Amino acid sequence: GENVEQHPSTLSVQEGDSAVIKCTYSDSASNYFPWYKQELGKGPQLIIDIRSNVGEKKDQRIAVTLNKTAKHFSLHITETQPEDSAVYFCAASKGSNYQLIWGAGTKLIIKP
Amino acid sequence: SQTIHQWPATLVQPVGSPLSLECTVEGTSNPNLYWYRQAAGRGLQLLFYSVGIGQISSEVPQNLSASRPQDRQFILSSKKLLLSDSGFYLCAWSVLGYGYTFGSGTRLTVV
Repeated sequence: GENVEQHPSTLSVQEGDSAVIKCTYSDSASNYFPWYKQELGKGPQLIIDIRSNVGEKKDQRIAVTLNKTAKHFSLHITETQPEDSAVYFCAASKGSNYQLIWGAGTKLIIKP
Repeated sequence: SQTIHQWPATLVQPVGSPLSLECTVEGTSNPNLYWYRQAAGRGLQLLFYSVGIGQISSEVPQNLSASRPQDRQFILSSKKLLLSDSGFYLCAWSVLGYGYTFGSGTRLTVV
């Protein structure tokens, strides 16, 4: 079955710098890749997603890139701010009515 | 707009007691519904999912059960809680498996 690996488990960056979190997946049939942000004590919140017919998607300071050949996708956060501190989860699925397979999460720490 | 309600936010229950957590969704029809559990500092473990009324799929064999008595209502239950049932329980919904939206979660502590 599908397996999603996420790295690093913890990432500490200086405020204003960029942060990159990477995920790899094993099932080449996967075609949907969302990213979630979970703040302490809250449920995860979808921040951006990408489908396999697109190589990159941007939303303000957040971007996701997808390399289908290498089977990996990455979350890029530019100009990091203190409110970006949270745990970020990647996931992958084969699309309609398939379950999301989750990465283990990355704790992002923004240092002032 | 769609909203998801999950309650209670916090629950402390003794070992061996029953459990009932409820989740309701508004503003959408025939959503896919999910129950997840998250141990402290850990990832998301799918417990149950449902693609329609009365249809429940279990991912992890355990002493928990789920029911979907109405289209937009999902209930997580246990007859007798174990210490290992402690955790953060999250309900979520999606449209055909895309764009999961999570509830605010229930912090369950079994003592």
